[in-house]
Amino acid sequence: QKEVEQDPGPLSVPEGAIVSLNCTYSNSAFQYFMWYRQYSRKGPELLMYTYSSGNKEDGRFTAQVDKSSKYISLFIRDSQPSDSATYLCAAIFGGGADGLTFGKGTHLIIQP
Amino acid sequence: DVKVTQSSRYLVKRTGEKVFLECVQDMDHENMFWYRQDPGLGLRLIYFSYDVKMKEKGDIPEGYSVSREKKERFSLILESASTNQTSMYLCASSSQMNTEAFFGQGTRLTVV
Repeated sequence: QKEVEQDPGPLSVPEGAIVSLNCTYSNSAFQYFMWYRQYSRKGPELLMYTYSSGNKEDGRFTAQVDKSSKYISLFIRDSQPSDSATYLCAAIFGGGADGLTFGKGTHLIIQP
Repeated sequence: DVKVTQSSRYLVKRTGEKVFLECVQDMDHENMFWYRQDPGLGLRLIYFSYDVKMKEKGDIPEGYSVSREKKERFSLILESASTNQTSMYLCASSSQMNTEAFFGQGTRLTVV
């Protein structure tokens, strides 16, 4: 079974706030986890990927994976109006040919 | 800069037409994927390919076929377009290690 669950939102926060976006997954065989940002009428843009459990930071973005609880998080610090988009989490087994399993996306709105 | 290019951004086709969606990547990736994205349903995998002339069914292959004659090019074919195939179609590619996937800008197909 391959499922990734994600709250669709919308999630609306004021500019400058810390944003927390979350997903849960059911298959413990997933090894790689990704976050994509998708603006309206555009393709998903890869933000970050992590392997197994742990944290990864890139500028204002931090991705966190807790494999024991099957929980994936993306934190955005000092949020900007340009961060307003749909954020998709995804998981993959890795190391072979297989498609990503996506959450349905969370629509994020940063209010100026 | 990584590049996945889809041949059309917008297409309008008639019911019963045979439709070709083309995707080209310049990253020398082994894996290529076709997804469709619908409101409330998220991204769903149609087909993927891990090598030239190889293809595997994804979660929703019915009504579609694919062709991969060259490593950089992956085509999605709608044999006889129907209105329920109106959707956003997204192509992606990844390396053999399959740890992260890169998407094209998408083709918004309307079948009338």
